[in-house]
Amino acid sequence: GAVVSQHPSRVICKSGTSVKIECRSLDFQATTMFWYRQFPKQSLMLMATSNEGSKATYEQGVEKDKFLINHASLTLSTLTVTSAHPEDSSFYICSAWDRGQDNEKLFFGSGTQLSVL
Amino acid sequence: KNQVEQSPQSLIILEGKNCTLQCNYTVSPFSNLRWYKQDTGRGPVSLTIMTFSENTKSNGRYTATLDADTKQSSLHITASQLSDSASYICVVRRVYYGGSQGNLIFGKGTKLSVKP
Repeated sequence: GAVVSQHPSRVICKSGTSVKIECRSLDFQATTMFWYRQFPKQSLMLMATSNEGSKATYEQGVEKDKFLINHASLTLSTLTVTSAHPEDSSFYICSAWDRGQDNEKLFFGSGTQLSVL
Repeated sequence: KNQVEQSPQSLIILEGKNCTLQCNYTVSPFSNLRWYKQDTGRGPVSLTIMTFSENTKSNGRYTATLDADTKQSSLHITASQLSDSASYICVVRRVYYGGSQGNLIFGKGTKLSVKP
């Protein structure tokens, strides 16, 4: 079945550095991918919608300059957390629609645990 | 307001027992309802997707029900196994023609712990 691959699974970085997270659709093309943030024991919170070949759409309250999204191809979207600070520590998850199957299945990546020291 | 409420917040059961998780929603207009299983530190995995006309759908030991009139859904797990320990998330999709996510509304999940 369709798979969404997300890397890295875990990253630890120093405050002030930038971190890039990749999200790939492995056997389908995804014109639209989504990025979420999840704090412990909380539900997923949509951060932004990544559109291939155009600018991402950010949810209210999400800083565009802080969370840079690039969707350069139909199978790859990247999220860059710029100048990361401890408050950015969280679990980041991507997802993508596979519209080639019934009911437009939404597949999620395995997530990236970001820890900023 | 479009909301998805899940209950209980957490649940502990013994291995081999059955359990039922609840999902109530106020999302409108309704498109479909999804149940996901999320293991700790992992991304959610789809269990079932149900449209307005579907009352029940099974996936192995998982059986989801949907009552679109009362806007309630349940996820029943039979003969629980230790590997069923996870968070179960109810997600309701609202009809949306904007071409993006389609307004997926996430519940906060039920954390299930299966003990030996």
